[in-house]
Amino acid sequence: GAVVSQHPSRVICKSGTSVKIECRSLDFQATTMFWYRQFPKQSLMLMATSNEGSKATYEQGVEKDKFLINHASLTLSTLTVTSAHPEDSSFYICSARDSASGGPSSYEQYFGPGTRLTVT
Amino acid sequence: GQNIDQPTEMTATEGAIVQINCTYQTSGFNGLFWYQQHAGEAPTFLSYNVLDGLEEKGRFSSFLSRSKGYSYLLLKELQMKDSASYLCAVRVRRQLTFGSGTQLTVLP
Repeated sequence: GAVVSQHPSRVICKSGTSVKIECRSLDFQATTMFWYRQFPKQSLMLMATSNEGSKATYEQGVEKDKFLINHASLTLSTLTVTSAHPEDSSFYICSARDSASGGPSSYEQYFGPGTRLTVT
Repeated sequence: GQNIDQPTEMTATEGAIVQINCTYQTSGFNGLFWYQQHAGEAPTFLSYNVLDGLEEKGRFSSFLSRSKGYSYLLLKELQMKDSASYLCAVRVRRQLTFGSGTQLTVLP
């Protein structure tokens, strides 16, 4: 099946610094990737839709200047949390759709393993 | 806006059957997904329904009624490893909107 990786799996950073999280589709191409955030005991909240070769689409309430998204290739999207603060501590998960597949499987999003960000 | 409701918690006994309900009100509908998520891990895909009816896959089945805005996930022959959060998600165009998840605890 399709595999999505994320790096790093865990990161601890100091308040005010920036952190970059990578999301890669390992065996398929993804023109669209999605970034979610999940706080403890809460569900996934879509932050933004990352489109290869164009600007990301951010959900209401998500600051695009704080959460920078770059989707430079068909297999890689990055999320950079700039000037991180303790309230940004969360579980960040990316997902990707297989651009080439058809039928019902084309609707499935494959999730990465997530990145646990702790800002001290 | 999008509104997806699921029970917060459910408890069942090993070997039993449990049904997790999901109701939704969304601006558009392109399918409904069920995911399983263990604590600290990413969600894993369980099922996808876009037409009315029952989809069966091993011990797991999922049902959809579009006219009622209703779905359920049925888990049979429960095992201890089935203890997890179960997320209902509705696809609207290319995006998924998730419910708050149902935390299922399977007791011996």
